[in-house]
Amino acid sequence: RKEVEQDPGPFNVPEGATVAFNCTYSNSASQSFFWYRQDCRKEPKLLMSVYSSGNEDGRFTAQLNRASQYISLLIRDSKLSDSATYLCVGDNYGQNFVFGPGTRLSVLP
Amino acid sequence: AAGVIQSPRHLIKEKRETATLKCYPIPRHDTVYWYQQGPGQDPQFLISFYEKMQSDKGSIPDRFSAQQFSDYHSELNMSSLELGDSALYFCASSIPTGLASADTQYFGPGTRLTVL
Repeated sequence: RKEVEQDPGPFNVPEGATVAFNCTYSNSASQSFFWYRQDCRKEPKLLMSVYSSGNEDGRFTAQLNRASQYISLLIRDSKLSDSATYLCVGDNYGQNFVFGPGTRLSVLP
Repeated sequence: AAGVIQSPRHLIKEKRETATLKCYPIPRHDTVYWYQQGPGQDPQFLISFYEKMQSDKGSIPDRFSAQQFSDYHSELNMSSLELGDSALYFCASSIPTGLASADTQYFGPGTRLTVL
């Protein structure tokens, strides 16, 4: 069982839709979490850090539930440019990153 | 803004050859991380350095070694290359925040290694 698990996807949604991704982690010692997006053959790019109960940045909202060891990412008003793989990341005892397998999103015109 | 620089961007090697990948972190970042991403896989942590000392070690094969130099750049040395080493190798850098949690890592564009 992977330490960080995500919805397998792919998610195919029309432009303007709202889409939510789920992520669970098994290491209760993990302190911080991040969402990165990765385009094909490119590097992961930070989308959001997820501290304490969660945070919002424009169309993106991330939530963290430590009791359930669960993180979510909500994307509102999806754009074509949101098409990418979204990687859920937890830390390993406050040090290196552990990546989830990623969820692929395709926003369709 | 300056980003993480990696070189070369693409590298083709034969089995049993050696390869050296270089990483130049964002200015003032003193921590460097190396990740390996195989086709269709998520990035796997290999090794990290803080202030030129190894700070953490992941699933790095014994055939690989790495170091961080006085200017904070890092090199990943890979010997006796195998077909399975073909992957994207990312370097990331961070600056310590002093918090107990992990620091945000910023990734370089990666080196695509192909072993024939």
